[in-house]
Amino acid sequence: QKEVEQNSGPLSVPEGAIASLNCTYSDRVSQSFFWYRQYSGKSPELIMSIYSNGDKEDGRFTAQLNKASQYVSLLIRDSQPSDSATYLCAVSHVVGQFYFGTGTSLTVIP
Amino acid sequence: SAVISQKPSRDICQRGTSLTIQCQVDSQVTMMFWYRQQPGQSLTLIATANQGSEATYESGFVIDKFPISRPNLTFSTLTVSNMSPEDSSIYLCSVVNTGELFFGEGSRLTVL
Repeated sequence: QKEVEQNSGPLSVPEGAIASLNCTYSDRVSQSFFWYRQYSGKSPELIMSIYSNGDKEDGRFTAQLNKASQYVSLLIRDSQPSDSATYLCAVSHVVGQFYFGTGTSLTVIP
Repeated sequence: SAVISQKPSRDICQRGTSLTIQCQVDSQVTMMFWYRQQPGQSLTLIATANQGSEATYESGFVIDKFPISRPNLTFSTLTVSNMSPEDSSIYLCSVVNTGELFFGEGSRLTVL
């Protein structure tokens, strides 16, 4: 069983809609959760970190964590074509150890 | 977040040659890692670069193929030795800062 699982997509949403990206993880002792955005040909960029159950909002992005269900999600409100990228979920339960999902490809259609 | 500079940003290499990638961080960091991302794939950890000692390699990666140096807390190199087309990838330097992992711009290697 993979540590971190994501639907590979592609996920397509119209401009202005909410994009919902989901991630599940296997290790119950995981403590830290991250979302990265990776544009084609570029390196991953950290966009959100979340450490406790509930929602964390940053601009148009909201990360949601449910440790009981071992589930973390990223919502992108008012999606823009510039949000088109691959989104990587990462989980850490030991400082310095990070487990990455395979990423979800998002396309925002103008 | 830390500023991480890698060079070269890209290179085209001949089979059988070796290439060294440099990673420079703008601040001292304890944890530094090297990742590989093959075309269309997610990230694979190659090794942890340990300051002043031998790197810690993940399963499937060996020192003879991927020698790593880390002479101080701001600099590391990764060498890809005796390259084959299967080594064509993006190689990423990354560091941990306040518990978060940050990546350099990556080095895109194409082996012919």
